[in-house]
Amino acid sequence: GAVVSQHPSWVICKSGTSVKIECRSLDFQATTMFWYRQFPKQSLMLMATSNEGSKATYEQGVEKDKFLINHASLTLSTLTVTSAHPEDSSFYICSASRQGVVAFFGQGTRLTVV
Amino acid sequence: SQQGEEDPQALSIQEGENATMNCSYKTSINNLQWYRQNSGRGLVHLILIRSNEREKHSGRLRVTLDTSKKSSSLLITASRAADTASYFCATDYFFGTGTRLTVIP
Repeated sequence: GAVVSQHPSWVICKSGTSVKIECRSLDFQATTMFWYRQFPKQSLMLMATSNEGSKATYEQGVEKDKFLINHASLTLSTLTVTSAHPEDSSFYICSASRQGVVAFFGQGTRLTVV
Repeated sequence: SQQGEEDPQALSIQEGENATMNCSYKTSINNLQWYRQNSGRGLVHLILIRSNEREKHSGRLRVTLDTSKKSSSLLITASRAADTASYFCATDYFFGTGTRLTVIP
C-alpha cells in the first residue's frame, strides 16, 4: 500500500533556532497534505492543509509565520518551525492524500526545544 | 470519553446496505474529521468537515455536521465487504473510541 515517510522521527533543537520537518509520499502523488500537532494526552490538532503549488490553509489559532509550510511538489511537503521555543515542543504528524479523500499518515516527529 | 462519544459501538450490515455512524462532542470545534482503521493497520484519514459546513460528500461517503447539536454523522452508502473496519471521529480535543463496522458479503 501507499507509504508516507516523515523525517526526522525526532529532533532536539535550541530555543530560537528553526527546524524543518519533511513529509514524503513514497509511491503516489499527494495532491493534499495535512499537518497535525498532538499535545500530551490530547487528540490530533489539525494545523494546516496544503495543496501542491498553492499556499497552505491554516486553521484558526495557528501562526502562519511561525509554522511555514511548503508543498512544492506532489511528493514532498515541509513544515518549518521558525524561532522555536520550548512551548513548540510537541509531536507533529503529517498525512498525505491521493486524489479524493483517503489519506495516509506519516510516523510523526517528536520535537523537543531546549 | 468525557469529551464526546460515538455510536453505535458496533454495527453489522449486509453488503449493499447503508451504514450510519454518529459522533457527539462537547466543546466548540474548528473542524471534525473521520478516520478509518482496518484491523492491524494505521489510521486512514477519510474526510474533514469544517465548522461552517453542514454536509460533505466524497464518493460513497457523506458526512453531516450539526454544530448546534454538537454532532456529526458518517454515512457509507452501498457498503462493501472492504468497508469492514473501525471508524473514528476526531476534533481538536477529542478522538472517539470508534464504531466497529462489519459488512457481511
